[in-house]
Amino acid sequence: TQLLEQSPQFLSIQEGENLTVYCNSSSVFSSLQWYRQEPGEGPVLLVTVVTGGEVKKLKRLTFQFGDARKDSSLHITAAQPGDTGLYLCAGERGGADGLTFGKGTHLIIQP
Amino acid sequence: DAGITQSPRHKVTETGTPVTLRCHQTENHRYMYWYRQDPGHGLRLIHYSYGVKDTDKGEVSDGYSVSRSKTEDFLLTLESATSSQTSVYFCAISDSAGAPGEQYFGPGTRLTVT
Repeated sequence: TQLLEQSPQFLSIQEGENLTVYCNSSSVFSSLQWYRQEPGEGPVLLVTVVTGGEVKKLKRLTFQFGDARKDSSLHITAAQPGDTGLYLCAGERGGADGLTFGKGTHLIIQP
Repeated sequence: DAGITQSPRHKVTETGTPVTLRCHQTENHRYMYWYRQDPGHGLRLIHYSYGVKDTDKGEVSDGYSVSRSKTEDFLLTLESATSSQTSVYFCAISDSAGAPGEQYFGPGTRLTVT
């Protein structure tokens, strides 16, 4: 059972454009993380959101946690080639049993 | 960056052979995790540890065992490797005193079972 659905799975856009990646679930999470992964490397944590409705900004990246803590979005403004990578959302339901990951969004920013 | 290393980074082995992957951390974090990453499936939890000698199963634990005799080391063993265990394996660590859910990943081990 895929508890976290990410969309789109693949996205290729031109440098300077804006984009939004979505992470949706029917389950409530106590927190949600966004990771970025480059080929041949492990995922790197970008941000954690905990409170329903929370918005966090990381330079040109804006992360939002849904009011009901079931979904999240990642918005990138003025995308750059360096933003290229696999973006993963992961939800925590509490306890020590790890994270539930979405399948990821492959993002390519073309110069 | 969190101090996490994995060894080996690449391994090719034959079906039926035992394989052990090692995760080593220098952060003294309590929680350690093993995931596998496969196309179309994303990252899936194999086993995790919440302390020395304290481990539990994850979503895809069949065919895998783990051990943690020291805080810094978490071993993943494939008792008899199968082709379906060809994957990229990631170790992750988490500090129970830190922000909820945040995990830090190692560089991964690419395992090919022929």
